[in-house]
Amino acid sequence: GQQLNQSPQSMFIQEGEDVSMNCTSSSIFNTWLWYKQEPGEGPVLLIALYKAGELTSNGRLTAQFGITRKDSFLNISASIPSDVGIYFCAGQLRTGNQFYFGTGTSLTVIP
Amino acid sequence: DAGITQSPRHKVTETGTPVTLRCHQTENHRYMYWYRQDPGHGLRLIHYSYGVKDTDKGEVSDGYSVSRSKTEDFLLTLESATSSQTSVYFCAISDRRETQYFGPGTRLLVL
Repeated sequence: GQQLNQSPQSMFIQEGEDVSMNCTSSSIFNTWLWYKQEPGEGPVLLIALYKAGELTSNGRLTAQFGITRKDSFLNISASIPSDVGIYFCAGQLRTGNQFYFGTGTSLTVIP
Repeated sequence: DAGITQSPRHKVTETGTPVTLRCHQTENHRYMYWYRQDPGHGLRLIHYSYGVKDTDKGEVSDGYSVSRSKTEDFLLTLESATSSQTSVYFCAISDRRETQYFGPGTRLLVL
């Protein structure tokens, strides 16, 4: 299957700091999705990206569809304790229905 | 939130027994997916459906079968459970191929 490299694997930050994480692939994707998962729950869709270069915001979250179409970035501004969780990227090829997931970035926010 | 329920939410079973997990949606979405989530592997697609009676395999389909006789229900069957199938199973739905919404998950332990 497709390999998505997500980094960093984990982050420990102080409340109020900004966060950046990214996802890279060896394949060209047509769609990038970003999810957040909290313990014992299913992933929740945060942002969807459908066009190379697209920049989309959802509150304090901003995600970008890389211009090469092989990467995507998620930024969280002014982190707060409820941002704690695991963030996953997912990419979809131009053909087919399958999404391929990264292994996640675990975010810990220290009050 | 997308109307997705999974049942059971937790199950303990013995090696060699058949197990069926149910995903039920109230959104009338065309696409339904089954994933498993394991540490270090992220989310991996088992099977998916793009309509009633239309299903296809994902990247980790061995030992699993699915059925979709109604739009709202997607069943995942472990024909003869093995310890390697201990995992958290997530159902996802979408109304178009470019996005997915996840259910709350089922924790399965195979002894």
